[in-house]
Amino acid sequence: AQSVTQLDSQVPVFEEAPVELRCNYSSSVSVYLFWYVQYPNQGLQLLLKYLSGSTLVESINGFEAEFNKSQTSFHLRKPSVHISDTAEYFCAVSPGGGADGLTFGKGTHLIIQP
Amino acid sequence: GAVVSQHPSWVICKSGTSVKIECRSLDFQATTMFWYRQFPKQSLMLMATSNEGSKATYEQGVEKDKFLINHASLTLSTLTVTSAHPEDSSFYICSARATGTGQFEQYFGPGTRLTVT
Repeated sequence: AQSVTQLDSQVPVFEEAPVELRCNYSSSVSVYLFWYVQYPNQGLQLLLKYLSGSTLVESINGFEAEFNKSQTSFHLRKPSVHISDTAEYFCAVSPGGGADGLTFGKGTHLIIQP
Repeated sequence: GAVVSQHPSWVICKSGTSVKIECRSLDFQATTMFWYRQFPKQSLMLMATSNEGSKATYEQGVEKDKFLINHASLTLSTLTVTSAHPEDSSFYICSARATGTGQFEQYFGPGTRLTVT
């Protein structure tokens, strides 16, 4: 079984400041890692994913996450946030192979302050 | 591309009645669909995995007789909440994974808000 911990339920950040959303996981098998974003009144959208290869993965809108196997972490970062980044961010894992459903963290509400 | 729809987006029903929620992949075929449940301020919890043409696989603690899942085609899965009670009130979200090898990404529907009175 897998579990995901997002320690911060809410992160307030000023616009144009950097941000890091933390995600730690535990699993007895190799995993695939994902970050999903949920804007108000919308469904979850995939932000980025780690399947294999380079441990640093990037999204098209400036977010990046680094897989750290020794620390079992997959923290999400962005060097400069915008008001439009205000949303709920979910970290999720699935067993390697991707055939199973996802195990989600509780989510982190990113609040961008002007 | 890769759009998943859910219908209805919200529903209110009386205790003891049944409610059906549809999940459709609009522009791709999905061999596998997943059903999740999300309580307020909580994470999404996987309820069951639905494979086209076969019985759904339920997660531990999920009553299969209460939450009936049917995946009759490659673009449609339904979740029926039978004899609904107020504690079944929740946000139900489906996701679909495209058919084919190497397809790991799940595409999520917008969710259905169920309120049982």
